[in-house]
Amino acid sequence: DAGITQSPRHKVTETGTPVTLRCHQTENHRYMYWYRQDPGHGLRLIHYSYGVKDTDKGEVSDGYSVSRSKTEDFLLTLESATSSQTSVYFCAIITFPYGYTFGSGTRLTVV
Amino acid sequence: SQQGEEDPQALSIQEGENATMNCSYKTSINNLQWYRQNSGRGLVHLILIRSNEREKHSGRLRVTLDTSKKSSSLLITASRAADTASYFCATGANSKLTFGKGITLSVRP
Repeated sequence: DAGITQSPRHKVTETGTPVTLRCHQTENHRYMYWYRQDPGHGLRLIHYSYGVKDTDKGEVSDGYSVSRSKTEDFLLTLESATSSQTSVYFCAIITFPYGYTFGSGTRLTVV
Repeated sequence: SQQGEEDPQALSIQEGENATMNCSYKTSINNLQWYRQNSGRGLVHLILIRSNEREKHSGRLRVTLDTSKKSSSLLITASRAADTASYFCATGANSKLTFGKGITLSVRP
């Protein structure tokens, strides 16, 4: 997707280990978002950012933290991964007035 | 909790037919958006309708919004096999989007 990349694309990790997912954008957008997608739940907002060092919680923020030290990067950290955090994670930027642009997703498996 | 709820959950139609998908929501919104997701891919923005608009068109897509009923519908005309995907409505408020659980559309050739 133009201007937004996620890394890694796939990751398998063990329960209890820390994991960091990266979202990188090249278009200087102010707002960035992290969602998770699970069968039967659709997409749920984890955290979002409205500027450098400005972040806020979404509806499923427990067990996750975020950081945004520069405009282009928004990091999502699972401090101690659990099996319930196995999911597909999507980053998005808001591109007024056209809606959101999503990254290609990170498929995370916690074993 | 989901703001938007789509209906039906799954829809199967023949190529060339029209597909109608509905979305209901609960609280005040600034806009409502529809997204498509092909299997294994990210979401792609289709169309945005603002709370003061009633109808909007984009190619084969027509979206309506009834704020008094807190509902929206997405019509895809003359469907194609390539329209097979999951479709999500999302309500926008306070610079955040809240998604429904999605509708699976299958278009049979």
